[in-house]
Amino acid sequence: QITLKESGPTLVKPTQTLTLTCTFSGFSLSTSGVGVGWIRQPPGKALEWLALIYWNDDKRYSPSLKSRLTITKDTSKNQVVLTMTNMDPVDTATYYCAHRGIAAAGPAGSEYYYYYMDVWGKGTTVTVSS
Amino acid sequence: DIQMTQSPSSLSASVGDRVTITCRASQSISSYLNWYQQKPGKAPKLLIYAASSLQSGVPSRFSGSGSGTDFTLTISSLQPEDFATYYCQQSYSTSVTFGQGTKLEIK
Repeated sequence: QITLKESGPTLVKPTQTLTLTCTFSGFSLSTSGVGVGWIRQPPGKALEWLALIYWNDDKRYSPSLKSRLTITKDTSKNQVVLTMTNMDPVDTATYYCAHRGIAAAGPAGSEYYYYYMDVWGKGTTVTVSS
Repeated sequence: DIQMTQSPSSLSASVGDRVTITCRASQSISSYLNWYQQKPGKAPKLLIYAASSLQSGVPSRFSGSGSGTDFTLTISSLQPEDFATYYCQQSYSTSVTFGQGTKLEIK
């Protein structure tokens, strides 16, 4: 059974750096194809994808936030860490981490893959305020 | 970025109704389209992946269709527990994007 849990500060001041940790179980981030992503949701607003890290340490970031985000993994601890610099009140949101699932399609030898976030943590709420 | 636009933004329906939500991509995304359900105060839940594949454990009244730029999520007979917000998400690009959501409310 895959589970994920987010942790970190509930309140940060403007201009500070936010560090969030996703601790997971039920899978290994050293297994080929595995990924863990971060998604956030401001109060009353839509989901916004932030970043994803792959088993091979490849990383992807939201283009609009790329300059402020860093995602790293600690495979031995089963953790993924997201840092976001220069926090602003508009960054107030619930932050989720999620497991990236994969489904193979197509004929053998010519497979292609579909990706989706199939298991989510419960989220952690971060407020940015002085 | 690939932009995802859902319609309608909100919808009122009754238990037993058939409901369709539409998602349009700003460019072709083949079948790289997922649907999620989110209830207040809860994390999103995966319903449909690859445009039309039902996630394990999801009731069969949920179905997805479409490819290219136009997709639909259909609930064949609304149940009380289906009143929630629904999001589409494209995974064609490594820069993932979500739709703005469709809130399904009780009439």
